[in-house]
Amino acid sequence: GEDVEQSLFLSVREGDSSVINCTYTDSSSTYLYWYKQEPGAGLQLLTYIFSNMDMKQDQRLTVLLNKKDKHLSLRIADTQTGDSAIYFCAESIDSRGGNKLTFGTGTQLKVEL
Amino acid sequence: GAVVSQHPSWVICKSGTSVKIECRSLDFQATTMFWYRQFPKQSLMLMATSNEGSKATYEQGVEKDKFLINHASLTLSTLTVTSAHPEDSSFYICSASRVRNSPLHFGNGTRLTVT
Repeated sequence: GEDVEQSLFLSVREGDSSVINCTYTDSSSTYLYWYKQEPGAGLQLLTYIFSNMDMKQDQRLTVLLNKKDKHLSLRIADTQTGDSAIYFCAESIDSRGGNKLTFGTGTQLKVEL
Repeated sequence: GAVVSQHPSWVICKSGTSVKIECRSLDFQATTMFWYRQFPKQSLMLMATSNEGSKATYEQGVEKDKFLINHASLTLSTLTVTSAHPEDSSFYICSASRVRNSPLHFGNGTRLTVT
C-alpha cells in the first residue's frame, strides 16, 4: 500500500539549516518529490530525485534518499523567513494513467527571527 | 518551465448550483491531468485522473456523477462540481506533466465555498 508520513511541524531560526524528513512505504516509487505550499496557494515544485539516486543538491536545497530505509529528507541551508511554508514530500508510482503521486501529510516550517 | 493555469482562483456559490473549474497547460500538451482536493490543514488527496479523449479514472470514494471531468483537448481539463453542498467546500488543485513519469506541475488551486 501507499503511505507517506512526515512530521507535522518544524521551527528553526533564520540562518540555521532546516531538515524535513519523510518516510514512504512503496518500494516501487520511481521519483520522489518535494513541493512547497504557501498559504492559499497551489504547490510549487522544489526539487525531485530519481529513485536510483542517493543525493541531489540544488543551490540551498539538498535531498537525501535512503532507499533501503525508505527515508527521504530535504535540507534547506541558511533558512530564510520566506521559506516559511508547508512542505510536502510525494512519491510517484508509474501507473497506466501516468505518474500518480501520493502526498505526505505535510510539514509546516516556521522560520523565526 | 511548465506552467499550469487554473481558473477561477476562488468561487462562492449557493448550495444546489454547479461550478466549473478549468485547468490549462499553458506551454505544453498534457494527455493526462490530475485533480486533487485539499481540506484545511490536510494533505492533497487524488480525486481523479483526467485522460484526453477518454473517460476520467476516479479514485475510490469519489462520486463520478458529482465531480464531472472533461478533458476535451491536450491543454484543457475541466472539473464540474454538480449540485454543490457545503461539504464540497474545499481547495481543488489540478496538475499536469509534459510526459509520462516526469515531474508534475500544479495550478494555483481554486478555493470553493458553498453557502
